[in-house]
Amino acid sequence: EPEVTQTPSHQVTQMGQEVILRCVPISNHLYFYWYRQILGQKVEFLVSFYNNEISEKSEIFDDQFSVERPDGSNFTLKIRSTKLEDSAMYFCASSAEIYEQYFGPGTRLTVT
Amino acid sequence: QKEVEQNSGPLSVPEGAIASLNCTYSDRGSQSFFWYRQYSGKSPELIMFIYSNGDKEDGRFTAQLNKASQYVSLLIRDSQPSDSATYLCADWNSGNTPLVFGKGTRLSVIA
Repeated sequence: EPEVTQTPSHQVTQMGQEVILRCVPISNHLYFYWYRQILGQKVEFLVSFYNNEISEKSEIFDDQFSVERPDGSNFTLKIRSTKLEDSAMYFCASSAEIYEQYFGPGTRLTVT
Repeated sequence: QKEVEQNSGPLSVPEGAIASLNCTYSDRGSQSFFWYRQYSGKSPELIMFIYSNGDKEDGRFTAQLNKASQYVSLLIRDSQPSDSATYLCADWNSGNTPLVFGKGTRLSVIA
């Protein structure tokens, strides 16, 4: 069964450093998303992406964040200058034409 | 701003019993809802989708939607210890709009 994959599974970085989180969505899916979940809190939407551009973004997704689909398979989230409060699980999700969003296993980001 | 509310639990039920998980939502215009299951440290796993008033059944799971009361529920019949997880309710509009999640209800099924 096809699935969303994410790398790395765990990333530790120092405050102020740039990180890139990578995702490979399900191959025939057209819509891509990033969500995050701070420990003990709800899953929060960051950004959605379709047809090589951002469709919607939340107020969390400020100028420190960017997304890119550099080739036909990868979908990346970049955080330019990490802060302590960026420590969270970051989930990539993808969906086909309609509605079911399938989540990847997540990347645990720890900012020290 | 849409809000989805869930009792955080834990909800404890004995093995074989029916677990009932509830969710309320703020946006009267909301049309569709998902239930996801999340094991500790793992990603959300899709269980069910419901958009019509009434019940929708899939195996041991039944989702119920009452738009007049802005209320969604998930029933798990014949609960198993492997059902122990956090259950997330999510509000969804249409197309590629984002999911708006509740905080989730932690379910514990006691053998």
